[in-house]
Amino acid sequence: NAGVTQTPKFQVLKTGQSMTLQCAQDMNHNSMYWYRQDPGMGLRLIYYSASEGTTDKGEVPNGYNVSRLNKREFSLRLESAAPSQTSVYFCASSEAWETQYFGPGTRLLVL
Amino acid sequence: QKEVEQNSGPLSVPEGAIASLNCTYSDRGSQSFFWYRQYSGKSPELIMSIYSNGDKEDGRFTAQLNKASQYVSLLIRDSQPSDSATYLCAALSDLYSTLTFGKGTMLLVSP
Repeated sequence: NAGVTQTPKFQVLKTGQSMTLQCAQDMNHNSMYWYRQDPGMGLRLIYYSASEGTTDKGEVPNGYNVSRLNKREFSLRLESAAPSQTSVYFCASSEAWETQYFGPGTRLLVL
Repeated sequence: QKEVEQNSGPLSVPEGAIASLNCTYSDRGSQSFFWYRQYSGKSPELIMSIYSNGDKEDGRFTAQLNKASQYVSLLIRDSQPSDSATYLCAALSDLYSTLTFGKGTMLLVSP
């Protein structure tokens, strides 16, 4: 089992460019999450999907969109990247209120 | 707003000592609590979860929960240099089914 996988591992964008971060899990979990982690700010929830077909905003959703493509995959899209979106992005999955398992992260630099 | 507070550290302990990491939370409705360890440049991984008042032991790790005081702690006995990492405390609110993370405490174990 690969657990939670994320692509790409690292990306450099120019301001205004768009990109999609991909996440997939093979643990048959219903719930999936997108976090960003910035120095001194901890992990902050961007969006989550409690089950296939549903998505909800987290603490910091502005500038992002998500798609729960199927039970395995949950993508995060930046339509027009801004330097403030430079961060490390983590995808996670869980079964209801159980432990969340994290992917390896995507390091994004917006110039 | 739900908050989880941790001392950012660093907490420095010598090898073999007991490391004590503390966390307080604001939401009295929180029922489940998690300690994650995060090495530099890596993703968070679960160390312990605790749901009931009292102590829960797993090897060198003991989690303690006091819901009346809204306080969670993690004790690491016989600390090793490999325990040097940032420890994240998280609380789960049943109402929203999302984790609220503290900003983490950096632990440094010196040989």
